[in-house]
Amino acid sequence: GAGVSQSPSNKVTEKGKDVELRCDPISGHTALYWYRQRLGQGLEFLIYFQGNSAPDKSGLPSDRFSAERTGESVSTLTIQRTQQEDSAVYLCASSTPPTNEKLFFGSGTQLSVL
Amino acid sequence: GENVEQHPSTLSVQEGDSAVIKCTYSDSASNYFPWYKQELGKGPQLIIDIRSNVGEKKDQRIAVTLNKTAKHFSLHITETQPEDSAVYFCAAILPGGTSYGKLTFGQGTILTVHP
Repeated sequence: GAGVSQSPSNKVTEKGKDVELRCDPISGHTALYWYRQRLGQGLEFLIYFQGNSAPDKSGLPSDRFSAERTGESVSTLTIQRTQQEDSAVYLCASSTPPTNEKLFFGSGTQLSVL
Repeated sequence: GENVEQHPSTLSVQEGDSAVIKCTYSDSASNYFPWYKQELGKGPQLIIDIRSNVGEKKDQRIAVTLNKTAKHFSLHITETQPEDSAVYFCAAILPGGTSYGKLTFGQGTILTVHP
């Protein structure tokens, strides 16, 4: 596609529920990332995919967070048993060699846990 | 790990003035420093970047300077326009992350350009 697409744009959930956030990267981009942006803060790295593998998942804050990527395209970030501190904007980005460090971000999913 | 500090947190200027945002980083091994602009309701967009083997880079009204010795880099916007109003983030590549986009971001600067 023309850009990175994320859905839903907004998600309100109750504490303890599971949520799934979706990311469609730019077509042909082999690398995909998830970042989290808390209100008034910078972005925090969560996980990096190269193809369908995740060689770096060091930023996932707890085992309630998981992500997968299929078909070297769509990725889903799942948060189980959501907590209020999970409220944030979750941003997906993609990139491609030879400039893998240049990220193209989606508009994010605003997650609110009540 | 890497730590990036960004100042100021807010910056207000008159249209036509210059704006400067500064960042410091902690790990001397970092070698790539991008700047992102984030408009309301949108994701961050890369506006300029610099590598550690370069001291300065310009792109029209935007420039970035890097001082490796002092471990700081700055964004300079000249002849500011109202459409430059946004949140600006600096970032640095974590050591070992030079082959992919694992960035450490600063806290952001809210730039407001008054007409």
